[in-house]
Amino acid sequence: EVQLLESGGGLVQPGGSLRLSCAASGFTFSSYAMSWVRQAPGKGLEWVSLISHSGSGTYYADSVKGRFTISRDNSKNTLHLQMNSLRGEDTAVYYCAKDESSGSHFDYWGQGTLVTVSS
Amino acid sequence: QLVLTQSPSASASLGASVKLTCTLSSGHSNYAIAWHQQQPEKGPRYLMKLNSDGSHSKGDGIPDRFSGSSSGAERYLTISSLQSEDEADYYCQTWGAGILWVFGGGTKLAVL
Repeated sequence: EVQLLESGGGLVQPGGSLRLSCAASGFTFSSYAMSWVRQAPGKGLEWVSLISHSGSGTYYADSVKGRFTISRDNSKNTLHLQMNSLRGEDTAVYYCAKDESSGSHFDYWGQGTLVTVSS
Repeated sequence: QLVLTQSPSASASLGASVKLTCTLSSGHSNYAIAWHQQQPEKGPRYLMKLNSDGSHSKGDGIPDRFSGSSSGAERYLTISSLQSEDEADYYCQTWGAGILWVFGGGTKLAVL
């Protein structure tokens, strides 16, 4: 059974940093691209970032480019999102999602971790 | 620009059927999409991938009551024999050129 478990969310001040993690199990983690998707309170889903299966390719939404860094540790089946220079508009539930193949659609989701940016 | 458009809300009666629509922006009518369901206070759940020719492949454990179809730039999700647990937000998603992943704004489905 595929499981994705996010952690690392919390309350952070504007301009601060936070590192999210996603522990994956139930599939060959190193074979699949992975993404972070966020959902602001009461809003829809917004794709944030994707990393290729090997980690050699990374992609970002314009809204986070230059501030967020996605990475993965295939030896530990873990996905990360380093978030710097956080803003109020980054407040959201952050979900990790498994890609069905190599950068197409997402076929499994985690339960999410809440990030609140506020003073 | 790759954009997906969904109606904000829909409603149907318990036991009835409902057809939700996702429209691809001009020039992207041949794109495949995916449908995702998000029940209240839960993470999203993948329902199916839907191709431009209407063929679709469903996620693990998705009931036969969920089906997909396509016509031109429109992608549809039909839910038959509506149950109370189908009351949820439904999002379509597509991807472009390996560098862009896009969601529609979502449709909130009320089961009356």
